[in-house]
Formats: sequence, C-alpha cells, structure tokens
Amino acid sequence: GQSLEQPSEVTAVEGAIVQINCTYQTSGFYGLSWYQQHDGGAPTFLSYNALDGLEETGRFSSFLSRSDSYGYLLLQELQMKDSASYFCAVRAGGYQKVTFGTGTKLQVIP
Amino acid sequence: GAVVSQHPSWVICKSGTSVKIECRSLDFQATTMFWYRQFPKQSLMLMATSNEGSKATYEQGVEKDKFLINHASLTLSTLTVTSAHPEDSSFYICSASSSGVAYEQYFGPGTRLTVT
Repeated sequence: GQSLEQPSEVTAVEGAIVQINCTYQTSGFYGLSWYQQHDGGAPTFLSYNALDGLEETGRFSSFLSRSDSYGYLLLQELQMKDSASYFCAVRAGGYQKVTFGTGTKLQVIP
Repeated sequence: GAVVSQHPSWVICKSGTSVKIECRSLDFQATTMFWYRQFPKQSLMLMATSNEGSKATYEQGVEKDKFLINHASLTLSTLTVTSAHPEDSSFYICSASSSGVAYEQYFGPGTRLTVT
C-alpha cells in the first residue's frame, strides 16, 4: 500500500514563506501532486511533479526528490486566503490510483 | 474550464433508505471519474474509480453492493448509497479526469450526507 506523512498543522505570518513537507512510501511511483482545500470546500489542484526538481507556479512551488521519497510545497508571499488544508497525493500502485496524505492545516496570521 | 458539478450538495435521509449522488463534468468529457469520502478533519479516502462504460474498480474495504457506481456517459457518474446507515454520514466528493491520467483531477463541490 501507500502511506504519506505530512505535518498536521503549520502557522505562518502573512507575507512570509512557508514550506509543507511530505514523505511517502509507495510501490510503483508515478508522481506527487498537491491540492488545496478550504473548509467545507472541495480540493483544488495546485501542482504535480513526476521528475526530481522544482516546479514553480506563481506564488506556489513544488519540489520532488524521488530518491528520498520526499517532496514539499512552498508558498511565498503568504496571504490570509492561503489559510486552508494542503494535501500531498501520490500517483502510485496503478496508473490511475491516487492516494492522499493526511493533510496539513495552514493558518496564516496577520 | 474543467468544471465538475455534484448534486445534491447536501442531503439528509432516514436510515435504511437509498441516496443517489450525481457527478457531472460540465465542459469536458471525463473518461475516468473517482469517488472519495472524507470525514471531518481527515483526508480523502478513495472509494472507487470508474471508467465510462465499464464496471467501477472499488478500493479494498469498500462494499460494492452498498456503494453502487454507474458511469453511464462521458459526462455523468452516479454514486448510490444503498440502505444507508448513520455511519455512512460523510462528505462524498467526486473528481474527474479528462485524459484518464489521474495526476490532474478536477473535483466537484462535494455532497454532505447525513443519515438519521
């Protein structure tokens, strides 16, 4: 099976930078995704890494190291609206199968 | 683009009854749809993967006779919770993928089911 670990909560100041880590144990790894979910809402796709390295999309960047089974999501210039839960998800164990991590609740404070 | 709708957004039903939840891709054809359930403050648990015109693939531990999934067209999948019980109360979310590649899934807004 697949297992993913993320910190349960992170607090950061508006305008700062925060990094949310994700470590995983999988078989048949294809890639790592990140999703954002506000309370009561549905997840929205943020990024996907299939290869090692950093992918940048605006204020958000995502990094993957396949050899270390590790990735992170980097949020820059934090805004209050970034307060949400962030899930890493691995595509592994089957081409279409996606397993979500436990989620990290990010609280942005003034 | 890539909008997925779910209906209803919330439903309350009595124990023993069945509830159908619809998931529609509004502006693209979804070759693959996924059904998840999420308990409060927990992660999304994949229940099943459905491909248009074929039987759904259920995850281990998910009762296929209780959670009936139909993917009748490229824009519609339905989840029917049969003989619902209070422990089935949860947030059910569908997602759709246009290419069958699961790394980019577009999620519906979710359906909150409460069984009394």
